Amino acid sequence: DAGITQSPRHKVTETGTPVTLRCHQTENHRYMYWYRQDPGHGLRLIHYSYGVKDTDKGEVSDGYSVSRSKTEDFLLTLESATSSQTSVYFCAISEGTGFGSYEQYFGPGTRLTVT
Amino acid sequence: SQKIEQNSEALNIQEGKTATLTCNYTNYSPAYLQWYRQDPGRGPVFLLLIRENEKEKRKERLKVTFDTTLKQSLFHITASQPADSATYLCALQMDSSYKLIFGSGTRLLVRP
Repeated sequence: DAGITQSPRHKVTETGTPVTLRCHQTENHRYMYWYRQDPGHGLRLIHYSYGVKDTDKGEVSDGYSVSRSKTEDFLLTLESATSSQTSVYFCAISEGTGFGSYEQYFGPGTRLTVT
Repeated sequence: SQKIEQNSEALNIQEGKTATLTCNYTNYSPAYLQWYRQDPGRGPVFLLLIRENEKEKRKERLKVTFDTTLKQSLFHITASQPADSATYLCALQMDSSYKLIFGSGTRLLVRP
């Protein structure tokens, strides 16, 4: 988890409220990712970023938006939280190795409960 | 359809034995296959990767094989220890992509 922090680590919120999760890195890596992890589904990509202000959708992006105004910060927003968004959210970072591979380094996760 | 399969049942082995975990995939052509370890309540940790033109890769007690014909990777932990107990995830990386596609993981339990 070194070099990557997520905040908050735990959050309980009510259906319909907006929620923002923050990912902060000190590694100066170009690529950043948001995943959610649910039993039986593994890690699923929500959104990712390939540079400041450059973001794109992953496989489960509906109901989520992201922003990246600085290299070190990547924000995930749930505009109007629903119970189906109860999950553990992980941020990851990556930098190309020069050989074409992109290993990812993960933050500690945020456990979000929507009641 | 595209899918990645890892055994959803936990693998339960005796300390000192070799653990072998399987990652099978369908309708993908990955350039790299990566393995991660995840402990309860924590984020995944990168362990090692293997390229499509490599048959085998080793790192200390870990060994990974990659068979692009069978569309399968095997992950071995030799001389297993209780501290190796965790969930192990495989991930595919396509050529020219910086995104990964993860399997759902296999839980390994090493009994003392």
